[in-house]
Amino acid sequence: DADVTQTPRNRITKTGKRIMLECSQTKGHDRMYWYRQDPGLGLRLIYYSFDVKDINKGEISDGYSVSRQAQAKFSLSLESAIPNQTALYFCATSDRDSGTDTQYFGPGTRLTVL
Amino acid sequence: AQKITQTQPGMFVQEKEAVTLDCTYDTSDQSYGLFWYKQPSSGEMIFLIYQGSYDEQNATEGRYSLNFQKARKSANLVISASQLGDSAMYFCAMRDLESSGSARQLTFGSGTQLTVLP
Repeated sequence: DADVTQTPRNRITKTGKRIMLECSQTKGHDRMYWYRQDPGLGLRLIYYSFDVKDINKGEISDGYSVSRQAQAKFSLSLESAIPNQTALYFCATSDRDSGTDTQYFGPGTRLTVL
Repeated sequence: AQKITQTQPGMFVQEKEAVTLDCTYDTSDQSYGLFWYKQPSSGEMIFLIYQGSYDEQNATEGRYSLNFQKARKSANLVISASQLGDSAMYFCAMRDLESSGSARQLTFGSGTQLTVLP
């Protein structure tokens, strides 16, 4: 079974709709992240959480919100989706005590906003 | 601010040959980490290899090695004995270890699309 799972894997929605993307992990990591990837670009950080009570904005947080329901779960919400939020969204996790703090990614959610 | 530059949008290599994917970075910090990730056409991001700025030896992981030249601020990925399954997008990323908050998060390059030819 995958260590980091994301649901849904694909989603098509309409402008103005509220969307939630979910991420769960069985790696036991304390840190979790949400990124988006646009065609031809690298990943950009939306939000990150170093533990359940610690949530921080990343580079491009406008239009997004997050919730860390438990150490293993981190969800991303688009309150009112717009077409330029069409992208591939990744959840990632890392272990503070690992030394390298390497981030491990989920399979991604492909979101299309019409 | 951190910046990663990957100057090769696309690369081709013959199966079983070695290939080098270039990555240069810019940071004012002395302590940082460098990462390479592979993204196949299926979309997932797969961690390949890590190099710390204070590591004296170049990192190796199986067929992957990192040619780290600190003075030149380069961290090139070398893939030996290329396989058809190596065809993918490859991203270089870095993270400063001295900054705080979001400045310590991963910064990604724009990627290099590698195609392995049979």
